[in-house]
Amino acid sequence: KAGVTQTPRYLIKTRGQQVTLSCSPISGHRSVSWYQQTPGQGLQFLFEYFSETQRNKGNFPGRFSGRQFSNSRSEMNVSTLELGDSALYLCASSLVRRTSTDTQYFGPGTRLTVL
Amino acid sequence: DAKTTQPPSMDCAEGRAANLPCNHSTISGNEYVYWYRQIHSQGPQYIIHGLKNNETNEMASLIITEDRKSSTLILPHATLRDTAVYYCIVSPISSGSARQLTFGSGTQLTVLP
Repeated sequence: KAGVTQTPRYLIKTRGQQVTLSCSPISGHRSVSWYQQTPGQGLQFLFEYFSETQRNKGNFPGRFSGRQFSNSRSEMNVSTLELGDSALYLCASSLVRRTSTDTQYFGPGTRLTVL
Repeated sequence: DAKTTQPPSMDCAEGRAANLPCNHSTISGNEYVYWYRQIHSQGPQYIIHGLKNNETNEMASLIITEDRKSSTLILPHATLRDTAVYYCIVSPISSGSARQLTFGSGTQLTVLP
């Protein structure tokens, strides 16, 4: 099976712009979670989508948003970019099984640089 | 806050076993222990997880103490490509919360030639 894919892999934007990142989960996986990784804060949970609905949300401002489509693909959007939004954005997918825990599998990430 | 404690760094000689410890003294009965690793600037890679029994797969072995307050990840024959940051994470069994992983600082494992 193909793994989690993220596009684009690298992105350069300027302050005040907005950006949309895309994530395609492993085939058959129904949940997509997003994480931000920075040198100062480490890996932090942004939000999770399952069945096109946001299920969990981390402690990030409203400028960070996302959505999930009926084919489980997900996008996240960051509006009014700030320098501090420069980070590696990671997407993880999981199967969602009622009978056992859900292992998350991560994509390669999108490296966003805000100038 | 992360609910695990790991040493910030460890070295291991190539070909030897790498034993990475993790303390999770506040783990509850409905939480799994997960291990991931991250090679520089790549996405974290799932390694193994367990509840209370020892687990082994093609990548590693996971030893969980009987009281479940600590665990050890064992890479039996470390190679240079095992150099990475290793994260130990406790995650609830319930599927909703399980998809919100809390990462700590991890252990930087350096495999030396």
